[in-house]
Amino acid sequence: DAGITQSPRHKVTETGTPVTLRCHQTENHRYMYWYRQDPGHGLRLIHYSYGVKDTDKGEVSDGYSVSRSKTEDFLLTLESATSSQTSVYFCAISDSSYSYNEQFFGPGTRLTVL
Amino acid sequence: KQEVTQIPAALSVPEGENLVLNCSFTDSAIYNLQWFRQDPGKGLTSLLLIQSSQREQTSGRLNASLDKSSGRSTLYIAASQPGDSATYLCAANYGGSQGNLIFGKGTKLSVKP
Repeated sequence: DAGITQSPRHKVTETGTPVTLRCHQTENHRYMYWYRQDPGHGLRLIHYSYGVKDTDKGEVSDGYSVSRSKTEDFLLTLESATSSQTSVYFCAISDSSYSYNEQFFGPGTRLTVL
Repeated sequence: KQEVTQIPAALSVPEGENLVLNCSFTDSAIYNLQWFRQDPGKGLTSLLLIQSSQREQTSGRLNASLDKSSGRSTLYIAASQPGDSATYLCAANYGGSQGNLIFGKGTKLSVKP
């Protein structure tokens, strides 16, 4: 299995509080992604990174920000959590964005916003 | 809009049966297609990756095919086992600078002993 860890694995928080999720990889892959998985919607891209300090928005980026100060770490921040952000969050990594882009996923973080 | 569809949403089969899971995509200009397995409460495990230039890819009892012209991919599972019970997801990669995957909603497979 690819070396990807996510922390925390579970979190319950209240509306309006800031939350930061961490993704850590040991594969030295260039690309990192944050997805959310919701019933009826499947997995959707939130933000992605194509290098240290290089990030961009995905399909559902509103209310989220990211940072990548080191190759191995990609942080997802909910500035002010809302109930609509209750979801399972997955981090993925890849060493290419094109034809050979095989993505590997972390174990996920289950976030509940009350 | 690029969309990926998986039908059926759920499938139940007896142990030992050969089965096919279907995946269709609206835009045929894909770079590759990836099949995943997801167990309840777990992350996604990559099963097979098919490049756009390939017709099929095999791993053990699994065989994935790709037909870009018709916008379809299939995952064939031979001699199914109860341990194959899981949700199977397909995802299309359309390349570009981000290379993110467009996911189907999955097929939940149950293999009965």
